[in-house]
Amino acid sequence: DIVMTQSPLSLPVTPGEPASISCRSSQSLLHTNGYNYLDWYLQKPGQSPQLLIYLGSNRASGVPDRFSGSGSGTDFTLKISRVEVEDVGIYYCLQALRSPYTFGQGTKLEIK
Amino acid sequence: QVQLRESGPGVVKPSETLSLTCGVSGGSITNYYWSWIRQPAGKGLEWIGRIYASGSTNYNPSLKSRVTMSVDTSKNHFSLKLNSVTAADTAVYYCAKANQDCSITGCRFGWFDPWGQGTLVTVSS
Repeated sequence: DIVMTQSPLSLPVTPGEPASISCRSSQSLLHTNGYNYLDWYLQKPGQSPQLLIYLGSNRASGVPDRFSGSGSGTDFTLKISRVEVEDVGIYYCLQALRSPYTFGQGTKLEIK
Repeated sequence: QVQLRESGPGVVKPSETLSLTCGVSGGSITNYYWSWIRQPAGKGLEWIGRIYASGSTNYNPSLKSRVTMSVDTSKNHFSLKLNSVTAADTAVYYCAKANQDCSITGCRFGWFDPWGQGTLVTVSS
């Protein structure tokens, strides 16, 4: 199985400041078609996960443009340009290249 | 837009079979893949498997011997059965639409969206 490793696991952030989460995979997620099969999800408190970023860098419908995804191969980053209170929750990366699809451990973003 | 809702018993006895259904509204279940994902309390997410509207399946090897998924296109829903459950199967179970990325070279799974609200299943006697 492809192992996904996120860091940090806890991320305290002051509103208005930027934030960055790293996700590394044990195998390259870059397909021969040129796409990286890496997604980002946010699970807000008491809710189900919601898609933020798919195929490495594509924002899902309705996701604010302060969220961006980057990276290729085995190293990926989710960036929030200016954190807002509503961004609190647990962020997960998912590798969608090879079954079984596997998630990172999660990064808990909290407001300072 | 498509919405999903899980339903089923909240408590299952050890060694028995967990059965859940995911109802799809706002769109047809046909021509798409659908998945089950679970999350034990305070823990991360585990992909259980997926099913195509035709009935073809792909399961996580860690659960494959105990999992069966099925689809009922007439009712626009799909189902999960997990047999021989233990306390380790206690979790919130989510259903989700497994979207594909299609290009000239074909289609392949890309992302889960949307998700259902989740249903807690507790394994307890």
